[in-house]
Amino acid sequence: SAVISQKPSRDICQRGTSLTIQCQVDSQVTMMFWYRQQPGQSLTLIATANQGSEATYESGFVIDKFPISRPNLTFSTLTVSNMSPEDSSIYLCSVEEDSGANVLTFGAGSRLTVL
Amino acid sequence: DAKTTQPTSMDCAEGRAANLPCNHSTISGNEYVYWYRQIHSQGPQYIIHGLKNNETNEMASLIITEDRKSSTLILPHATLRDTAVYYCIVRAYTGANSKLTFGKGITLSVRP
Repeated sequence: SAVISQKPSRDICQRGTSLTIQCQVDSQVTMMFWYRQQPGQSLTLIATANQGSEATYESGFVIDKFPISRPNLTFSTLTVSNMSPEDSSIYLCSVEEDSGANVLTFGAGSRLTVL
Repeated sequence: DAKTTQPTSMDCAEGRAANLPCNHSTISGNEYVYWYRQIHSQGPQYIIHGLKNNETNEMASLIITEDRKSSTLILPHATLRDTAVYYCIVRAYTGANSKLTFGKGITLSVRP
């Protein structure tokens, strides 16, 4: 299965700043997804990162707050903009491999704490 | 709305089988049952999935009832490393219902 690297693995940020999380995959994949996991909660899908076009956002998430880039089939970034303490979460990148098995592989996540 | 219902938690003894139930009474004909687990401080990990037949792989077995309204994930010989949150998810292969939507899951604690 694909191997996913996320950077940073964790960070502590100040309120009002922005942070960009990178997701690198060791193989070309069509479908990439960004999830958020708030403390003690389950995972929530933020958006689908589409190569060559704008990301598709889920209800409750907007591009101005969570801009996403997908420049090629192995890389994506998620930016958390104008952060507040409520944005403290684990952000996870996942990919659905093109093998047709419809299985998602997840990165280890980026743990973000906003002070 | 949640498509699956799982108990909040359960425990089992190390070396014994862990049977994790899941109800999905509104499952559609084109939806599969997927199981993932999340060990503390890690991303979710795929375990197994099935449509209507029972499935087995190196990690677990999946038993789906004939009416497909419920299923059971079986870890045949639980170890301490199987302590995790287990998510039962129904998902179509394509279309609007093909997104992986996580519920609260069941916390499995394996005791020595």
